[in-house]
Amino acid sequence: KQEVTQIPAALSVPEGENLVLNCSFTDSAIYNLQWFRQDPGKGLTSLLLIQSSQREQTSGRLNASLDKSSGRSTLYIAASQPGDSATYLCAVRRDQGGKLIFGQGTELSVKP
Amino acid sequence: DTGVSQDPRHKITKRGQNVTFRCDPISEHNRLYWYRQTLGQGPEFLTYFQNEAQLEKSRLLSNRFSAERPKGSFSTLEIQRTEQGDSAMYLCASSTNNQPQHFGDGTRLSIL
Repeated sequence: KQEVTQIPAALSVPEGENLVLNCSFTDSAIYNLQWFRQDPGKGLTSLLLIQSSQREQTSGRLNASLDKSSGRSTLYIAASQPGDSATYLCAVRRDQGGKLIFGQGTELSVKP
Repeated sequence: DTGVSQDPRHKITKRGQNVTFRCDPISEHNRLYWYRQTLGQGPEFLTYFQNEAQLEKSRLLSNRFSAERPKGSFSTLEIQRTEQGDSAMYLCASSTNNQPQHFGDGTRLSIL
């Protein structure tokens, strides 16, 4: 059974810092991995999607890496801003079909 | 692109009552997913449809839960005889085949 874990559960940093969020999964047979952002009381916004054959994806100040063999992904946020404060979730998809299996999220707070 | 729409945004009901939620996916999306999210946790998969066919249901979906997607467009999720443990955010997502899932803002259910 696939399990996804995110560390840390919460993180508080001063504005301007670079930071790394971690995601690990127990079954390396994944189709892709996706990072989401969730603001309080809202749905999920997709940030980056990495196919199983890819090693990383970049969008602006965000960079996500994937090491399928070790069951790990990281989300790197450069030059953090207060507007980055949110919960960040990673999710893996087993096959083309299907459902996403989520970690419990990392709650990020960026202090001005 | 009007996004995934969910209605209502909030629902407060007494224990034992039935509730129904609606999800309108992005118009050209053939897949529709339901997830449940409790406070401090990542979303958990409930069920998904491809067009009007319900292809997978989670063990979380007890016999008090039923989902439909008539005509392969909007979907409804009904919970009968609600219990305290049903209090959660119910999220809907849609996609085309293996493309990223787009999420709505969810329906927050509170059981008194």
